[in-house]
Amino acid sequence: DQQVKQNSPSLSVQEGRISILNCDYTNSMFDYFLWYKKYPAEGPTFLISISSIKDKNEDGRFTVFLNKSAKHLSLHIVPSQPGDSAVYFCAAIIFSGGYNKLIFGAGTRLAVHP
Amino acid sequence: KAGVTQTPRYLIKTRGQQVTLSCSPISGHRSVSWYQQTPGQGLQFLFEYFSETQRNKGNFPGRFSGRQFSNSRSEMNVSTLELGDSALYLCASSSGTGGEKLFFGSGTQLSVL
Repeated sequence: DQQVKQNSPSLSVQEGRISILNCDYTNSMFDYFLWYKKYPAEGPTFLISISSIKDKNEDGRFTVFLNKSAKHLSLHIVPSQPGDSAVYFCAAIIFSGGYNKLIFGAGTRLAVHP
Repeated sequence: KAGVTQTPRYLIKTRGQQVTLSCSPISGHRSVSWYQQTPGQGLQFLFEYFSETQRNKGNFPGRFSGRQFSNSRSEMNVSTLELGDSALYLCASSSGTGGEKLFFGSGTQLSVL
């Protein structure tokens, strides 16, 4: 049972345009969401996060939007650059059993082409 | 501050063998989590250790086990390897108190032939 779903395995975007990566979740108890970015042969690195009490968080070219009623979040990258080409993982945190538990989606491979 | 270190980077084993992977977390971090990454499956949670105790476990068979030492270093063991165990195994460390931001190592790429 995948509680965090990234339904698009891949996305191709032209340099300079907007990249929108989507993530859906099923558990309304999730209280924190994160995006990680992963290059080949490297471990994932933290990109941006959002608390469930907010609907938007912005950091430079990266903005994450949260729609709790739809149980949906999205990552916007504007403008997209070739160096953004990577796999992006959406993750959700639930506080369970006295500590935080992190659940990842399957990832979306973003390709930004000139 | 040194990052998360995983050894070895690459491993080739045959079916039926066993393997041990090692992870050294960021200094001061007490939580170590292990994940398996396969194409199309994302990051599948294996288990988490905090202060030498396993406090969370994913849905993997008992062939997958781990431990954590007093210096927070962790090892993961897979016994009786199967072809389907071929994957990138990632270790992540955090303070363990908030836990929301994980710091990942570069992983160990395991190939089972």
